Amino acid sequence: AQSVAQPEDQVNVAEGNPLTVKCTYSVSGNPYLFWYVQYPNRGLQFLLKYITGDNLVKGSYGFEAEFNKSQTSFHLKKPSALVSDSALYFCAVSRGGATNKLIFGTGTLLAVQP
Amino acid sequence: GAGVSQSPRYKVAKRGQDVALRCDPISGHVSLFWYQQALGQGPEFLTYFQNEAQLDKSGLPSDRFFAERPEGSVSTLKIQRTQQEDSAVYLCASSFGGQGARGNQPQHFGDGTRLSIL
Repeated sequence: AQSVAQPEDQVNVAEGNPLTVKCTYSVSGNPYLFWYVQYPNRGLQFLLKYITGDNLVKGSYGFEAEFNKSQTSFHLKKPSALVSDSALYFCAVSRGGATNKLIFGTGTLLAVQP
Repeated sequence: GAGVSQSPRYKVAKRGQDVALRCDPISGHVSLFWYQQALGQGPEFLTYFQNEAQLDKSGLPSDRFFAERPEGSVSTLKIQRTQQEDSAVYLCASSFGGQGARGNQPQHFGDGTRLSIL
């Protein structure tokens, strides 16, 4: 069965410092990996995806993620955090196929202090 | 419209009532998904449509849940005889590709309907 783990409920970082939000996955076959961000009372906004190719994926708002097949991880990173990055971040995996449904992690709350 | 639109944004119902939640996907998007997001949790898949065909309803928690997309555009999620455990945010998402497309097309989400069952 497919699953996604986000081991940190919350990540705290000072503005201007680099941030990392961790994600590991379990799926048979080749995974399609996604990061989404959710602001209060809003839906999820797509940040970036990994399908194939380069292990470092660049996305919206300066975010990037590194796919590591041996560690089955897909950590989200940003070189310099902004206060406006404070939100709930979800990692998701899809195996493609008939449905392309997403399996989400439980989310990580990112708090960027000024 | 420019994005996925869901209505109502908030719905309060008494236990036992029926509710209907509407999703208007991005124009031209073939795929439509419904997810349920409980408080403090990630979204969980409910059902999937490709155009008007419901290809996967494996996530629907009971036969009280019913979804349709009769003309391949707007979709309605109906919950009959609501119970308190149905309280959650219901998210709709759409994507351009359909079955057979590689799972590499991002899903675009609406802002959800927050359902509260009293």
